[in-house]
Order: sequence, then structure tokens, then C-alpha cells
Amino acid sequence: QITLKESGPTLVKPTQTLTLTCTFSEFSLSTSGVGVGWIRQPPGKALEWLALIYWDDDKRYSPSLKSRLTITKDTSKNQVVLTMTNMDPVDTATYYCAHRLLLLTDWSDAFDIWGQGTMVTVSS
Amino acid sequence: EIVLTQSPGTLPLSPGERATLSCRASQSVSSSYLAWYQQKPGQAPRLLIYGASSRATGIPDRFSGSGSGTDFTLTISRLEPEDFAVYYCQQYGSSRLTFGGGTKVEIK
Repeated sequence: QITLKESGPTLVKPTQTLTLTCTFSEFSLSTSGVGVGWIRQPPGKALEWLALIYWDDDKRYSPSLKSRLTITKDTSKNQVVLTMTNMDPVDTATYYCAHRLLLLTDWSDAFDIWGQGTMVTVSS
Repeated sequence: EIVLTQSPGTLPLSPGERATLSCRASQSVSSSYLAWYQQKPGQAPRLLIYGASSRATGIPDRFSGSGSGTDFTLTISRLEPEDFAVYYCQQYGSSRLTFGGGTKVEIK
């Protein structure tokens, strides 16, 4: 059974860089078609997609946050890392990583398995 | 960027009733690459529908999706107590993925 779990600091100061790690099991990011995405949700608000990395190391970013985000993978450790620079209080949110739905005959950037999420607060 | 507008914002209904949720896109969603998620308080979202109308693994058949182009609908045929939650649509027809603002289905 596929699982994902986010880890990282719960509190960061404004202007600092946030580094989050997604550790997953029962799939490999070296397998064709596999991808892992990051999505966040401010308290009481809607979901916001941040980034997605594919098995072939192709990467996609939210245009509004692209200058601040970097997504990388470590296939040997079954991990995906997201860094976000210049954190601001408006970045306070629960951050989720999620497994890209893998279909045999079609493209899909929907997310079928999600981690539990990690709450990050930005405050001095 | 494709903007997704969900309506209504809140939908008060009783168990057993039919729920119809709308998701409208600012431009056509390529190949009907639209998904629906359910989220309960304190939980991660759960994938219900992908490709506008295909149910994800383990999703009951009371959930159905339809639509194409810019107009999509999620229908819950008969609401069960566990269906009261917030529902989000997401498009993946563009490389810039986007989510809608959500519809809360609440107990009337």
C-alpha cells in the first residue's frame, strides 16, 4: 500500500527558507509515469498546487511561486524535497505531498494518494 | 492559467437528497482532464473522480462526474452521513495545475 509522509519544521521566520521532505513507500520515482506533487492549504482556505516532479526528472511549478520553489528527488532514499525561499506569514499552511495517479492508457496529473500533511507557521 | 469557479459555495442538504456541484473553467479543459476530491475536517483530500467521469478506486457509485469543455458537474445521488464535506475540483489539462475554491456540502 502506497504511503507518503511529509516532514519539516513547524515554525519558520519570515525571509527564511523552508525545506520539506516527502518520504514515500511502495512505489519508485524511477518507474515510468510516476510523479509526486506538493499542494498546500492555508487554514480555512482552498487547496493550492505548488510543484510536481516526474520519474524522468521533469519538473513543473506554479507560475505565481516558481521563483521561490525548487523540487528535487532522491530515488535511492524514496524522497522528494521541496524548498521555498523568502517565507512570509501568508505562506502559513498545511503542506501536502501526493502521488500522481498512474494510468496505463492516459495522462493524469490528478493525485490519488496523499500524505497526512504538515502544518507550517511563518511568524517572527 | 485556468481559473476554476465552484458553485455554490455552500450547499445545505439532508441525508438521502441529491447533491449537484458545479465547476466552471475560465477556458476549455483539455481532454476533460478534470478531477474531484472530497475533504473532511482535519483530513487530506481524497480523490473521487478523474478524467471528468471515471471513479477512483474504491469510490461508491453514488458519486458520478460529468461534463466537458468548461462546465463540469459532480453528482452525489443520495447523500450518506459521511458525504458531508468540502469538495474541490482540479484541472490537469494544462501544465499549470489549478484547484477550485471548493463547495461545502453541509447538513440542512
